[in-house]
Formats: sequence, structure tokens, C-alpha cells
Amino acid sequence: GQNIDQPTEMTATEGAIVQINCTYQTSGFNGLFWYQQHAGEAPTFLSYNVLDGLEEKGRFSSFLSRSKGYSYLLLKELQMKDSASYLCAVVDSNYQLIWGAGTKLIIKP
Amino acid sequence: IAGITQAPTSQILAAGRRMTLRCTQDMRHNAMYWYRQDLGLGLRLIHYSNTAGTTGKGEVPDGYSVSRANTDDFPLTLASAVPSQTSVYFCASSDSGQGANEQFFGPGTRLTVL
Repeated sequence: GQNIDQPTEMTATEGAIVQINCTYQTSGFNGLFWYQQHAGEAPTFLSYNVLDGLEEKGRFSSFLSRSKGYSYLLLKELQMKDSASYLCAVVDSNYQLIWGAGTKLIIKP
Repeated sequence: IAGITQAPTSQILAAGRRMTLRCTQDMRHNAMYWYRQDLGLGLRLIHYSNTAGTTGKGEVPDGYSVSRANTDDFPLTLASAVPSQTSVYFCASSDSGQGANEQFFGPGTRLTVL
């Protein structure tokens, strides 16, 4: 079967760095997305990785290792507005997105 | 309209009633999707359409139907609602259903079936 695993919840302090992990087992792999979802709102795109390595975009970076079935999202200089759920999604062999349940990130002052 | 819109925002529905959730996009995207999001679960694909005139079944299609008469609109119909269909429903679109394309989401419809 297809499976995406993420921690359910994480807590971090304002100004700090946090790493949110995602491991996957899917039928085929055509890339991995990270989305951000604030409570009561729609998911919004953060990043896309299809090759191994680190992609940096401002305070957010995303890493992929295809051989390990592993990705992480790194958030630096945390701000209160970063409190949200972070969704990992893998593009399978049929180009459908398989979604993880999301990681709720709580930022404390 | 800018982006993707959904209606209604929320709805309380009696079991057994028929309900259509509306979704419209103005980005001229070819592909559209319907997901449901339940607490503790990832987004689950109900139905999708890669282009106007075609539709396909996702992971959880039972009890739902869709149509794609034109590029902009992708309504989702619950023929006879049941309490297990209580959920938040998101419509999304992408430039293409082939290849890995960013999906843009509507604001969601919160549906409660009693």
C-alpha cells in the first residue's frame, strides 16, 4: 500500500529552527510537495522536490532523499505566523498526490 | 473571480438529502480535483478531471459523483448524504493532470450531515 508518515504535532520557539520529517512508501515517485495549511484555511504551496538535495527558499528549505524515501522541511527564524499544519504529498506513478496527515506546528513566544 | 471559489462555505444537511457542492476556477486550468479532509487523515481524493469532458475516480469515490461540462466548473454531488460524509471538502485545480503540477485550492466547504 501507499503510506506517508509525518509527526502529528511539534512545538518550537519563536526565532528558533524546526525540522519536519516525512517518510514515504508509494507506488512510483514523481516528486514531493510541501504545503502549508493554517487552521480553517486551504492548503498553499511551499515547495516541490524531484531530485535529491536541498532546495532553499527564504526561511524555508526542503530536502529530499529518494533512496531513503525521506524528506524534510526546515523552517528558520520561526515567526508566530508559522503556526500551521504542514502537509507532505508524494506524486505517485499515476501523477496523483498521496497526502500525509500533516504536522501541526505550534510556535511559542 | 480570482483563483478558485467554492460554494457554499458551510452547510448542515439531513441524511438522505441530495447536495451539490460548487467549484469554479478562472485560471483556465485543465485539471480539477475534489478532496475531503478529515481530522487525523490526509487529504483524500474523491474524483478528478484531467480535462473538460472527462472524469476519474480517486481513492474514496463511493457516494459521490462529478461532472465537467466546461473548463471552469467542477461540481460534486452527494446523491443521498450519510453522516460519514461529514467533512471539509476542498476543490483544487492544476495546469495539467499529467506531470507533477502545483495544485491550487479553493477555500473549502464544511459539510455536516445529521
